[in-house]
Amino acid sequence: LAKTTQPISMDSYEGQEVNITCSHNNIATNDYITWYQQFPSQGPRFIIQGYKTKVTNEVASLFIPADRKSSTLSLPRVSLSDTAVYYCLVGEDYNQGGKLIFGQGTELSVKP
Amino acid sequence: GAVVSQHPSRVICKSGTSVKIECRSLDFQATTMFWYRQFPKQSLMLMATSNEGSKATYEQGVEKDKFLINHASLTLSTLTVTSAHPEDSSFYICSASDPGSRDTEAFFGQGTRLTVV
Repeated sequence: LAKTTQPISMDSYEGQEVNITCSHNNIATNDYITWYQQFPSQGPRFIIQGYKTKVTNEVASLFIPADRKSSTLSLPRVSLSDTAVYYCLVGEDYNQGGKLIFGQGTELSVKP
Repeated sequence: GAVVSQHPSRVICKSGTSVKIECRSLDFQATTMFWYRQFPKQSLMLMATSNEGSKATYEQGVEKDKFLINHASLTLSTLTVTSAHPEDSSFYICSASDPGSRDTEAFFGQGTRLTVV
């Protein structure tokens, strides 16, 4: 399973766009890149998943360069409620029973 | 998306007793579920893989006799912390993915806060 590296913490202000970059130099051909959000005392919640190029959903965008050795989670116009820990995970298709290995995550603090 | 539910959300027990935590997939069947543990200010650590109808697979360093896992049905996995000690106090989280769905993400329970006194 590929190891991931993220900034430990980031600060932002309401209304700003936040970009969190994750490095995964040893990503394998069959690996997907998935981002989860975790609030204190809650289980992680899926944000977005991608394999290559760009993926966008109603809450975020995920940018993946051609070499797939990194990825960037983009949160548009953050609010106070986006304060959470964000985890970047790399692993096989989870429907096939792939297990998740969490890195340290990025603690995002959004200020008024 | 699919729903995974854990029970209880909080439990306090005395040192030396056992505690059972349930993890249910509410709207799908899960042949595989995963159990994680999370200490304060730390990331989630995978403890074991729960396999329906067979023995669980434990990660290195996790005592299988202390953390008993039973996955007797396609919608329920249980984690029993036996002879609990204060150092077992932690946040326990389960996850599962829906093999019948196009979605490939894992769904997590809300977690169980265990405090051993």
